[in-house]
Amino acid sequence: EDQVTQSPEALRLQEGESSSLNCSYTVSGLRGLFWYRQDPGKGPEFLFTLYSAGEEKEKERLKATLTKKESFLHITAPKPEDSATYLCAVQAEGTYKYIFGTGTRLKVLA
Amino acid sequence: EAGVAQSPRYKIIEKRQSVAFWCNPISGHATLYWYQQILGQGPKLLIQFQNNGVVDDSQLPKDRFSAERLKGVDSTLKIQPAKLEDSAVYLCASSQQGWDTQYFGPGTRLTVL
Repeated sequence: EDQVTQSPEALRLQEGESSSLNCSYTVSGLRGLFWYRQDPGKGPEFLFTLYSAGEEKEKERLKATLTKKESFLHITAPKPEDSATYLCAVQAEGTYKYIFGTGTRLKVLA
Repeated sequence: EAGVAQSPRYKIIEKRQSVAFWCNPISGHATLYWYQQILGQGPKLLIQFQNNGVVDDSQLPKDRFSAERLKGVDSTLKIQPAKLEDSAVYLCASSQQGWDTQYFGPGTRLTVL
């Protein structure tokens, strides 16, 4: 069964304190792995798509990487405005359905 | 480019009542999705449309939930009758085609009392 596990569930960082969020997945052939950011009361906002092991994508203070079993979202020198829930989803070959993890709630303190 | 539009943003109903949600996808997007997001969980797919045809509704509780996408553009999701466990945020998403990135609307927060 296709499955996505995110860790940690919650993370508190001081402003400027870099860290990484983990997304482990089990899927019968990966078509793509997606990272989204979700602010309270809003829908998920697309960040990155990764397709193959070794691929990396960057946007401002965020960098996403992918291996055959997991993906990391690295946050460098975070700011309070980076506080949000970060969701990971996988799409298996042969289907268009996204399987989401439960997310990591990030709080960055000033 | 306008994003995915949803209405209403909030809805409070009594159990056993009916409710309907509306979604207008990004212009030109052929694929439309409805997700249910329970507090503290990730979104769960309820139904996927390709133009006006259903691609996947395997997780839609068909005894109470129904959805349609007439003319292959906007869509409605209905719950009849609602149960307490239906309290959740209902998200609509769209993509150009099924394999493309999905873009989400703001969601409708449903509270069933």
